[in-house]
Order: sequence, then C-alpha cells, then structure tokens
Amino acid sequence: DGGITQSPKYLFRKEGQNVTLSCEQNLNHDAMYWYRQDPGQGLRLIYYSQIVNDFQKGDIAEGYSVSREKKESFPLTVTSAQKNPTAFYLCASSPSWGEAFFGQGTRLTVV
Amino acid sequence: KQEVTQIPAALSVPEGENLVLNCSFTDSAIYNLQWFRQDPGKGLTSLLLIQSSQREQTSGRLNASLDKSSGRSTLYIAASQPGDSATYLCAVRPTPTYGGSQGNLIFGKGTKLSVKP
Repeated sequence: DGGITQSPKYLFRKEGQNVTLSCEQNLNHDAMYWYRQDPGQGLRLIYYSQIVNDFQKGDIAEGYSVSREKKESFPLTVTSAQKNPTAFYLCASSPSWGEAFFGQGTRLTVV
Repeated sequence: KQEVTQIPAALSVPEGENLVLNCSFTDSAIYNLQWFRQDPGKGLTSLLLIQSSQREQTSGRLNASLDKSSGRSTLYIAASQPGDSATYLCAVRPTPTYGGSQGNLIFGKGTKLSVKP
C-alpha cells in the first residue's frame, strides 16, 4: 500500500525531554512537510524539505529540528526548547508543486 | 502575505441537500488549490486538486471550482449524506518564485460540516 506512515499515533513527553516523531513515505515524492494543528488555529508549517539533505524552516520552526537523510524519511524532533508542544502533528509529502498527501498524524501531549 | 479564509466555520444541513463550501484567498498568484477532508482525530484526505489553469474539477458527488482573478474557490457537494460529516479544508500553493523555493501549502481554518439523517 502506497502512502505516508506516521508513528507513534500517541506520544507523551515529560518536561525537558526531547521526542522524535517518525514520518515515512513510499510514494517516491521529493517534497516532505511537517505541520502543527491546534484547535482554532488551522495548520501551521514547521519545516519542509524539497530534496534529500536539504530542508527549510517554516512559520513556527523554533523548538523543532528535522533531518532528511533519505528520500523516504523526514523525522521531526520536538526539543525541550519548545515550550508548548501539546498539539496534533501532521506529516505530508508531494511531488514538487503537485498534489499533497498526509499521514494520519501524531498527537503529542506533555505530562 | 497570502491568507486563506473559509466561511462559514460550521454548517449543518439535512441529508440529501446540495451544499456549497467557500474558500477565498488574498493573492491570485497561486500554482494550484487543493481541497481536503479531515475526520476527527485523523489526518487529511485529499479530495480534489485544481491547477491554476483549470476552472473546475469533479470527483463523484464533489465539484470544485476556481476563479483565480477573484480569489475564490467553491466545493459543491451533491446529495449530501451523513458520511460526508467532517471538516473540509482548502489550501493554496503559491506560485514558486524565481530562484526561490516551491510554494508551500497555505491552509484555511476549515468548515465543519454536519449532515443530519
């Protein structure tokens, strides 16, 4: 089955802890994205990558980091510098400028 | 800066009704526009993609139109069913700039649709 797989579905973070969200795609798409969704705020772009070993900051990159070592994978690390990380995180991929497809999301909660 | 607005924020209709969801954007320099559906607690499902050169796209009971010059798109749902209940999101991809990066999707906040049996 072709698609985008995000894991885990639910994640709990303690204060001061870094956590990593996984995103894998088998659609052979060049571009990958991370969005954050909060109630009433819509989707906001965290980071995006157009090509392996290259990525750019989105609108709310502070407190987050990413890597793109393989075309299929774009993991997102939520660092302790992110003061309000509780949110729903969505990963997407697309051919350059083409139709975007999303994963099922990871819900992160600070405990 | 590109802004995307979806009105109304919520809509409730009886089953069988035809309905229209609205999306407006402030900058007509877009490469394409995409409509998504999101069920509670789930990811986004792509419904329709309209390229900037197109006027409309159809998929089953769904028809999306695009008027770039006026900055508007509509999603028409025919013969609505309770299974259509979800939040519908509109997103535009700005035209890539010369020497710059590809335009990234900019989302509206969505319209929450409820179809009553």
